Amino acid sequence: QVTLRESGPALVKPTQTLTLTCTFSGFSLTSSEMCVSWIRQPPGKALEWLARIDWDDDKYYSTSLKTRLTVSKDTSKNQVVLTMTDMDPVDTATYYCARMQMPYGGHGLDYWGQGILVTVSS
Amino acid sequence: DIQMTQSPSTLSASVGDRVTITCRASQSISVYLAWYQQKPGRAPKLLIYRASILESGVPSRFSGSGSGTEFTLTISSLQPDDFATYYCQEYNSYSWTFGQGTKVEIK
Repeated sequence: QVTLRESGPALVKPTQTLTLTCTFSGFSLTSSEMCVSWIRQPPGKALEWLARIDWDDDKYYSTSLKTRLTVSKDTSKNQVVLTMTDMDPVDTATYYCARMQMPYGGHGLDYWGQGILVTVSS
Repeated sequence: DIQMTQSPSTLSASVGDRVTITCRASQSISVYLAWYQQKPGRAPKLLIYRASILESGVPSRFSGSGSGTEFTLTISSLQPDDFATYYCQEYNSYSWTFGQGTKVEIK
């Protein structure tokens, strides 16, 4: 059974760095053509894709946020970590991690975590 | 970056209606498009991937079509459980993009 779960602070102050962890089970990020992405959703707004890390450690970022984002993985712990620097109230959102299998160009984000609401406020 | 434009933004429909949502890409994305359904307070659920392939367990009243820059999601006979917000997502580029969403409301 595939599961993903996001963890991290519910509240961060402006200018601080946010660190979120996605802990997953039921698959391995050492498996060929597997990837984990981060997506966020401000309250009442649309989904926004943030970043992706692949089984081979390739990393991809949202063009508009790439200077603030870093994604990494710890395959021994089945975890993917997202850091976002210089947090601002507009970054208040529910942050999700999700899995995609990449064979034949990709399967869609087929498993998602429940999401974690992060509020940015002083 | 590729821009994804969904239409309409909101759709009012009745149970049993045939519903079509359109997603347009600012440049060709081949067939690398997925559709998701999201209900309030819940994570999105994958419905369709590679433009037209139904995810396992998704009812057959959902279908997807298109390639290149124009895509559609069709619900053949709207059911009470289908009132939700639907998003398209391209995954052809290195920086993926979601559409802005289409809310399907009860008429």
